[in-house]
Amino acid sequence: KAGVTQTPRYLIKTRGQQVTLSCSPISGHRSVSWYQQTPGQGLQFLFEYFSETQRNKGNFPGRFSGRQFSNSRSEMNVSTLELGDSALYLCASSFSVDNEQFFGPGTRLTVL
Amino acid sequence: ELKVEQNPLFLSMQEGKNYTIYCNYSTTSDRLYWYRQDPGKSLESLFVLLSNGAVKQEGRLMASLDTKARLSTLHITAAVHDLSATYFCAVDMTQKLVFGQGTRLTINP
Repeated sequence: KAGVTQTPRYLIKTRGQQVTLSCSPISGHRSVSWYQQTPGQGLQFLFEYFSETQRNKGNFPGRFSGRQFSNSRSEMNVSTLELGDSALYLCASSFSVDNEQFFGPGTRLTVL
Repeated sequence: ELKVEQNPLFLSMQEGKNYTIYCNYSTTSDRLYWYRQDPGKSLESLFVLLSNGAVKQEGRLMASLDTKARLSTLHITAAVHDLSATYFCAVDMTQKLVFGQGTRLTINP
C-alpha cells in the first residue's frame, strides 16, 4: 500500500510570491491534515479536511489556505510569501475521525 | 488551550544506558502518539496509546500513558546509537495533533 505522497519535495520562492503544495493521501483515507514545522515554533497544525470540507483550522493568517478534492487529494496555498514561511510542510492522512494519522515525506519550502 | 510539554529537550547518553522522556499535557485526552524524526526527514509513528494505563513496547522502546496524571513516558532501555533522533509526543484533539517541543536524543558509543 503506497504511503502519503507530497509534491514537490523542495521548493525555493522569493518574498511576495505564492506557492501551492500537493498531498495525495493513502488510498481509502478521507481525512487530510497539514502541519508546519519550523525550528522556532516547532510542529503546528494548519488545517484538516474531510470529504472536501475544512473541519478544523489552526492559528495561521488568511494567507494560508487549502482545499480537498473529491478523490481526497489536498492542496495548500500560501500567498504573499514571507521569510518566516520557510518551513517543512507535512501532510498527514487518516481513514476517518479518531484514526491514526500517517505522515508524508514533507515539502521543504525556502523563501528568499 | 492545550499545552504539551516534553522534558528533557536535549538528552545525550551513552550506549547501554537507560533513560526516560516525559510528556505532560494540560487537557484531558485519551489518545497520545509518539513519533521519531531523523534530521531532514518526516515523522515516523512509534506508538499509539489509546487508553489510561496503556503500555506498548517495541524493541528497546516502551511507552506508557496515564490519563489521570496527563503524563506519558517513553523509556529507552540499553540505548544504541541507531536510536539517536528527535522524539515527539502528540496529543490528539479530534484530528488536530498538538505536539510537544521534541526531545533531541544523542547516543554516544
